[in-house]
Amino acid sequence: DAKTTQPPSMDCAEGRAANLPCNHSTISGNEYVYWYRQIHSQGPQYIIHGLKNNETNEMASLIITEDRKSSTLILPHATLRDTAVYYCIVYPPGGGNNRKLIWGLGTSLAVNP
Amino acid sequence: SAVISQKPSRDICQRGTSLTIQCQVDSQVTMMFWYRQQPGQSLTLIATANQGSEATYESGFVIDKFPISRPNLTFSTLTVSNMSPEDSSIYLCSVGGQGVNIQYFGAGTRLSVL
Repeated sequence: DAKTTQPPSMDCAEGRAANLPCNHSTISGNEYVYWYRQIHSQGPQYIIHGLKNNETNEMASLIITEDRKSSTLILPHATLRDTAVYYCIVYPPGGGNNRKLIWGLGTSLAVNP
Repeated sequence: SAVISQKPSRDICQRGTSLTIQCQVDSQVTMMFWYRQQPGQSLTLIATANQGSEATYESGFVIDKFPISRPNLTFSTLTVSNMSPEDSSIYLCSVGGQGVNIQYFGAGTRLSVL
């Protein structure tokens, strides 16, 4: 079972910020939070990841609460091309068998004109 | 990052036949992964393929049904054998990024079995 809980769907107006929440109350101390998205008819695409500090890259920002039990992915200026299913996944660092990702159903984000 | 090419992008097959899906990566990678995504569902890991060793299958998936080859560090194939309509899915391959647990995915193979 996925270790995260996300709302099944969200809407956002084009040009506005999209804030996608994720609950991961059972996260372990060494587990990172990863976000991926899957645009229709494409494979998943990595967005961002973090451990406990807030992170920002060219695609998005990741805000992790101090207790690490939840996080929010922020798309600062959503465009129609951001319409996708967004997955929040937690798993530990390191190689080998630790690389198995467990995918939930994610949040289907619809960006409306 | 890694660029992954999957072939075919889609296919329609008759039940009882087999289809081999190819996954080509633009760089050498140790681990490659094969996923299945059934209609309206999330991704389920089928197996992990390391070069030079037998693939490791997840619960519910067996080698006779989904044989995997991994002849070198840039290529892998997944065969869906003796297909039935229940095998209609998107099949995705992915690779692990060097040093960090980021996975990069191909565009997927959309399979329909009649």
